[in-house]
Amino acid sequence: SQQGEEDPQALSIQEGENATMNCSYKTSINNLQWYRQNSGRGLVHLILIRSNEREKHSGRLRVTLDTSKKSSSLLITASRAADTASYFCATDPSGSARQLTFGSGTQLTVLP
Amino acid sequence: NAGVMQNPRHLVRRRGQEARLRCSPMKGHSHVYWYRQLPEEGLKFMVYLQKENIIDESGMPKERFSAEFPKEGPSILRIQQVVRGDSAAYFCASSSLRDSHSNQPQHFGDGTRLSIL
Repeated sequence: SQQGEEDPQALSIQEGENATMNCSYKTSINNLQWYRQNSGRGLVHLILIRSNEREKHSGRLRVTLDTSKKSSSLLITASRAADTASYFCATDPSGSARQLTFGSGTQLTVLP
Repeated sequence: NAGVMQNPRHLVRRRGQEARLRCSPMKGHSHVYWYRQLPEEGLKFMVYLQKENIIDESGMPKERFSAEFPKEGPSILRIQQVVRGDSAAYFCASSSLRDSHSNQPQHFGDGTRLSIL
């Protein structure tokens, strides 16, 4: 599988429920980032977690990082219909290179 | 407080023509990254440029594709003799010199959607 693989590929939940998306990666990283993309639009940065951090919160978002398992999770609490979008994790590799490696994304649908 | 600006938003070309995609980074940003996104897939890195320099082009096809970031003006991604397989969304991201050495996110534009007839 590629660096930065998300699962599930698609997730459909009811408004008010929590949504959890997972991401696995392969190489050493400086940080891991989560982005959101609405259909036909660009990427919006949600949250960045550094390699020495284990958990980070931002509003209704909670991100965890387990560098020993090379995995991360994104939890969206109390979901809203407006949260419907594709969510991507991206790894910023160790070293001088800064190009991000993206997974193929999780398509989240929140039903009203 | 403009973000990363890409134009055009949509571009239609016939096979064999040239496509030129432009990216103006955020004010104060001197690092530009180009990514390509095929339908239903994540973004794939193409090229990383600083002003007047290509830092890493490992993700860019050797044939037909080129990129530049001149001292003045936007960064340009140029695709010559386009083929159907070039149809994709092309995204540009930028960061500052300081951001590129620290744990700061890149800022993305809304992309150019290239369609090849």
